[in-house]
Formats: sequence, structure tokens, C-alpha cells
Amino acid sequence: EPEVTQTPSHQVTQMGQEVILRCVPISNHLYFYWYRQILGQKVEFLVSFYNNEISEKSEIFDDQFSVERPDGSNFTLKIRSTKLEDSAMYFCASSVPLGPGSLSTDTQYFGPGTRLTVL
Amino acid sequence: LAKTTQPISMDSYEGQEVNITCSHNNIATNDYITWYQQFPSQGPRFIIQGYKTKVTNEVASLFIPADRKSSTLSLPRVSLSDTAVYYCLVTGRGAGSYQLTFGKGTKLSVIP
Repeated sequence: EPEVTQTPSHQVTQMGQEVILRCVPISNHLYFYWYRQILGQKVEFLVSFYNNEISEKSEIFDDQFSVERPDGSNFTLKIRSTKLEDSAMYFCASSVPLGPGSLSTDTQYFGPGTRLTVL
Repeated sequence: LAKTTQPISMDSYEGQEVNITCSHNNIATNDYITWYQQFPSQGPRFIIQGYKTKVTNEVASLFIPADRKSSTLSLPRVSLSDTAVYYCLVTGRGAGSYQLTFGKGTKLSVIP
């Protein structure tokens, strides 16, 4: 069964450093997402991406964050200057948009996550 | 999107059927009900989705009454590996916007 993969599984960085989290979505999917989950808290939406541009972003996704699809398979989240409060699990997800007349909403498939620790 | 309310936690013995009820009083006509499962340190995993009446797959059943103001996820004969957090989400079909809004979920603990 196809699955979303993420690398690295764990990233440790110093405050103020840049990090890039990588994701390989399911190959025929067209929508891509990043979510994060601070330890013990809810899963929070960061950004959605479609047709090489951001579709929607949350208040969390400020100027320190950026996303990119550098090639046909990877989807990346960059944090320009990490802060202590950026420590969290970051999940990538992908989905196939449904056409008109479809009977249900799209299903988002999540990757295993990258645990980011900012020291 | 409609707010959802579900129990914070539930305990069950192995082999029992578990029913987790979620209320979504303000669900809109075009909204669907979707359940995800999350194990510790893993990403959420889609379990089941429905619009009305009953939906069943190899993992669970989803019961939705006619007024759609609540839904019940039913897990038959749970095992220890079903210990996880279960999220009830209301998902709309807004064009170009597929953001999922997770609540705190229900932490299910299966006891041997």
C-alpha cells in the first residue's frame, strides 16, 4: 500500500538555525499538507499546497515557515530560524482532490512524522 | 466547520466492543463525519468516513442517526493494539480547502 514518507525521523537543532523537513507524498496525490503536534497537545494545521502554491495557511505559519515542492516527488517544510517553541512532531499529509459529483470528501494520508527538537 | 465533542478517555477490556460517541450539533448539510486513529509518536490514520446511516469497513463501523447531530464509532472486539487516540472530525467539501481540524480526541485504553 502506498504511504507518505518523511525524513528525518528525528531532528535536533540549535535555536536560530534553519531546518528543512522532507516529505515524499503518495505519488498520484495532488494536495499536500503540513501539520504539527506539540507534545501532549492537538494536531494543528499549518499549510496546504496545491498546484505549486499555498492554498491555505494557519496563523502558526508565519514568515519563518516556507514550503516547496522542488521536484516531482518531494515536499519540504523549511523553518528559517527555529525557536524553542517550534519543538514538535511535524506531520506531512497528502490527498487526491475529488471531482464534481464525488460522494465524499478527500481522505488525507499522514506520514510517520519528524520529531523536531530545538535546543 | 461544526465543533465536535467526544469523551476524553475510555477504558475497555480486550475482546469487548467499544463505542465512542461524538456530538456535532452544528453539522452542515454538506459536511461528512470522519474518524482518525493515532498511536503515540505516529501520524493520524484514517479509519472511516460517513454521511448518514451506517458505514462499515474492515476496521470499524460508523453509525449516524437521521439528524446527524452525533455519530458513534464502533470497534468490534478490541485488542491491546487498539489502544490509541481516536479523533472525530467534521469535514467539509469547501473547494480548495481541505484543512483538518483535530480536537483532543478520545484516548482509548484497552486492558488485558
